[in-house]
Amino acid sequence: EIVMTQSPATLSVSPGERATLSCRASQSVSSNLAWYQQKPGQAPRLLIYGASTRATGIPARFSGSGSGTEFTLTISSLQSEDFAVYYCQQYHQWPPGFGQGTKLEIK
Amino acid sequence: EVQLLESGGGLVQAGGSLRLSCAASGFTFSSYAMSWVRQAPGKGLEWVSATSGTGGSTYYADSVRGRFTISGDNSKSTLFLQMNSLRADDTAVYYCAKGKYPSSWYLFDYWGQGTLVTVSS
Repeated sequence: EIVMTQSPATLSVSPGERATLSCRASQSVSSNLAWYQQKPGQAPRLLIYGASTRATGIPARFSGSGSGTEFTLTISSLQSEDFAVYYCQQYHQWPPGFGQGTKLEIK
Repeated sequence: EVQLLESGGGLVQAGGSLRLSCAASGFTFSSYAMSWVRQAPGKGLEWVSATSGTGGSTYYADSVRGRFTISGDNSKSTLFLQMNSLRADDTAVYYCAKGKYPSSWYLFDYWGQGTLVTVSS
């Protein structure tokens, strides 16, 4: 089973600044990596798949990079609606696994 | 517009059973794999089970295998999760999620709003 590890657990950033979230896989997942955003009381929303492809309707300030075992989600200029929990997920092999999440909070 | 609407959650005693439903619309249900993903209170996401669009293949997390059964009714575009022998650690919000591509079982592009299952001990 591939274990996904996200860092940091909590990230405090001011609106307008850049946020960088990390995700590491215990073995290679190639580019089969997705990022989801979850706000309180809501379902997760797909942001990025294929490590770097934005899902439909996702603003360009969200970008993903990496391959193999190291991945990054970057939000270039934080808006108020971006403060949420972010999960990475590998869909390279069964069972699919999620990271434990990074909470992005307002500084 | 794709919509997924879960129902069937509630409070149940440990050892009991519950059946969740997920009514789907806006896409050809039989063409896509569907999954259940759960989230314990204040915790992260855990994949639970998946089924192919045809229902010919099913997969389960080790934590639920032998206790949960996933199925689908293509005529009603509805996904089910029969949960037996429930335990306190099954307490969670259960989401149904759609595979983004027919060949991509575990990349989830649409999620329902979730239904809460609470197992009392």
